[in-house]
Amino acid sequence: KAGVTQTPRYLIKTRGQQVTLSCSPISGHRSVSWYQQTPGQGLQFLFEYFSETQRNKGNFPGRFSGRQFSNSRSEMNVSTLELGDSALYLCASSGGTSGLRYFGPGTRLTVT
Amino acid sequence: QQPVQSPQAVILREGEDAVINCSSSKALYSVHWYRQKHGEAPVFLMILLKGGEQKGHEKISASFNEKKQQSSLYLTASQLSYSGTYFCGTESGANNLFFGTGTRLTVIP
Repeated sequence: KAGVTQTPRYLIKTRGQQVTLSCSPISGHRSVSWYQQTPGQGLQFLFEYFSETQRNKGNFPGRFSGRQFSNSRSEMNVSTLELGDSALYLCASSGGTSGLRYFGPGTRLTVT
Repeated sequence: QQPVQSPQAVILREGEDAVINCSSSKALYSVHWYRQKHGEAPVFLMILLKGGEQKGHEKISASFNEKKQQSSLYLTASQLSYSGTYFCGTESGANNLFFGTGTRLTVIP
């Protein structure tokens, strides 16, 4: 099976702009979670989608949003970018009852 | 809801053992352990469910104390390939997996 893919892998944006990141889960997986990773903060949970519905949301401002499509692909959007949004954004897919998360390679976002 | 990991960093010589601890303030349904090497995505090591224990690797095992809401990862006879940052993730229900800030493990020859 192909792994989790994320596009783009690298992105440079300026403050105030918005950005959309994409995640394609492993075939058959219906759950997609998003995490923000910054040095010293570890992996911060953003939100989780299952069958096109947001099931959980972490403690991030409303500028961070997401959605999931019928084919389980998910997008994450960040509006009005701030310098502090620079991070590695990881998505993880899971399926079945095991609860295992399979991470994608991430999108490295740099806000200047 | 972020679990607390300790230590933050540890340096080992090949063949030595290490223990990484993870604790949560909330009742836990499961604990996940992942390892991330520099520049790579986190990779699953094992999951421990309430009421059970699961080993994922030969020389890497873990325990889960439900009452204390704690988990420990045990690495025995460490190898150079064990180097990386180890994250514990905790689920207290509702499919939300929160990760700790990580433990950086360095194994030297």
